[in-house]
Amino acid sequence: DTAVSQTPKYLVTQMGNDKSIKCEQNLGHDTMYWYKQDSKKFLKIMFSYNNKELIINETVPNRFSPKSPDKAHLNLHINSLELGDSAVYFCASSQNYPNPNQPQHFGDGTRLSIL
Amino acid sequence: AQKITQTQPGMFVQEKEAVTLDCTYDTSDQSYGLFWYKQPSSGEMIFLIYQGSYDEQNATEGRYSLNFQKARKSANLVISASQLGDSAMYFCAIAVGGTSYGKLTFGQGTILTVHP
Repeated sequence: DTAVSQTPKYLVTQMGNDKSIKCEQNLGHDTMYWYKQDSKKFLKIMFSYNNKELIINETVPNRFSPKSPDKAHLNLHINSLELGDSAVYFCASSQNYPNPNQPQHFGDGTRLSIL
Repeated sequence: AQKITQTQPGMFVQEKEAVTLDCTYDTSDQSYGLFWYKQPSSGEMIFLIYQGSYDEQNATEGRYSLNFQKARKSANLVISASQLGDSAMYFCAIAVGGTSYGKLTFGQGTILTVHP
């Protein structure tokens, strides 16, 4: 059983389109995250939800909108895609709040390529 | 704010030898966690080892151990008896609680290449 699953694994689309990435975890964790890994492999937090509530919103363009219908799901919708959005997007979950002593479990990533 | 510095962009090691990957961190929080992740060429992020700021013993997980020196703010990963499958990118990361809600702040990563 996959602990954190993301779909799709690959996403190739035109500039200006709108796309969504879905994430589900079956670990019973309360907290979920979205990270972006750029072309230089640098990983940076984008958003985090705890029990469906947005708790972290880093400096991310408004075109990115996360949605958490329940604590097992965290989706990422991106409007008006730009070339600079090309990256690998990772979903993760943990039971890391309030104490940061549990590892985050990552999905396999979604490789987004903007043409 | 937290910061992780990995000063070795790339490291090479002979199979069966040990290798140390460096990591230094900066945080003003007293309670924090240090993590190492492995990212093979296939792209997934694999959790390797965790060290808590209040843990007195260095963490070990199989062939992985974490050399935690709190006063120096370093958390180096030691891989013993390297295997070809250890070739990957390795990330050091820190998480704190409070208003950071356990988010991970990553270093730049170190690419490890294991030679036969």
